[in-house]
Formats: sequence, C-alpha cells, structure tokens
Amino acid sequence: AQRVTQPEKLLSVFKGAPVELKCNYSYSGSPELFWYVQYSRQRLQLLLRHISRESIKGFTADLNKGETSFHLKKPFAQEEDSAMYYCALSGRTGANNLFFGTGTRLTVIP
Amino acid sequence: DAMVIQNPRYQVTQFGKPVTLSCSQTLNHNVMYWYQQKSSQAPKLLFHYYDKDFNNEADTPDNFQSRRPNTSFCFLDIRSPGLGDAAMYLCATSRDGGVLYGYTFGSGTRLTVV
Repeated sequence: AQRVTQPEKLLSVFKGAPVELKCNYSYSGSPELFWYVQYSRQRLQLLLRHISRESIKGFTADLNKGETSFHLKKPFAQEEDSAMYYCALSGRTGANNLFFGTGTRLTVIP
Repeated sequence: DAMVIQNPRYQVTQFGKPVTLSCSQTLNHNVMYWYQQKSSQAPKLLFHYYDKDFNNEADTPDNFQSRRPNTSFCFLDIRSPGLGDAAMYLCATSRDGGVLYGYTFGSGTRLTVV
C-alpha cells in the first residue's frame, strides 16, 4: 500500500533562512513524486515534479530512493512562500491516482 | 483561461437529503477525479473517470456516486449525506494520468451537513 508521510504539520522560518519540508513515502514499485502548494484562498496547484527535475520559485526536491524521501528545499525563504505544502505520489501507468500526505503549513516570518 | 470550475463554492444540505456537486473543465483532459478532504487531513481519492471508464476506490462508501455525461462535466452525488460527510470536495483533471503535467484542481466545494 502507498503512504506519504509529512512529519511536520507546521513549520515557521524567518525570511531569508533556508527551509526544508520533509516527505517520506512507501510504495511497492517506482512512484512518481510531486509537491503541490496551496496559497491562502487559492486552489491546490502543482509546484514541481520529480520527473522533470526542475526548480520552481527557487524550490527543489531530490528523490532519495534509499531513504524513500522527497524533501522540498529552498535556500532563502520569502514571505510569499507562506502556504500549505502537500507531498504526493502516483504510479506511472493508468490514471496515476495521486496520494497525498497530510501537508505542512509553512509560515515565513518577516 | 482554461480551468476547472466547481459549483457551488459552498453547499449546505440536510442530513439524509441527496446532494449533487458539479465540476466542469475547459482543458479537454480525459481523466477527472473527485477527492474528499476533511479538516487537517490529506485529500482522499474517492473515484475517477478515465475517459468513460469509472474507477471506484475500494474504501469509498456506497453513499457516494459519480456521473460523467461528457468530457467536460463530472458530478458527485451523495445519496444520503451524514454528518461525517461534511468536508471539502475537490475535483481535479489530468491528461492521461498527469505524470508529465500533474493535476489541475478546482477551488473545491465545502459541504456542510445540518
């Protein structure tokens, strides 16, 4: 069975400080990993995908298969990064249903 | 803008009274999903349509049904809402499962059961 664990419900950092949101997963197979973000009063939206190895808004995430982790990182947090962040995984075929973690609410303190 | 639209934004229904939530999309995505999200919990997949094929998650209660009359619309029917069904309901779409481009979500419908 698949599982996505985000151990921190709340995370506060000061503006300009590094930020890391943790995500661990379990999946029987090779999953695709994603980070979704929900800003205040906005819809849930894709932030970045493991498959594309991209950096979006200064965020990066590296898939560590040995540790089954997909932590989200940013070297210098900005106030506009304050949001709810969800780690999610899916399979690679079919409808690729997304399974979400419980989310981490990030607050960047000015 | 191409998008996923959910109506209504807020829905109040009586205990046991059938209710329908709607979702429409202008993206021409072939896959549509319904998620239930309760307070402080992860969004939980209820079911999805891959084209016209309906796929129910194993633990989705029978009380929840869905219809997809065409590519653009998908409905969530709750036959006899209970107090435990109060939640945010999220509709999402993807092209071919979303591995390359992810899902596009609607703004959600918050259901209150009184």
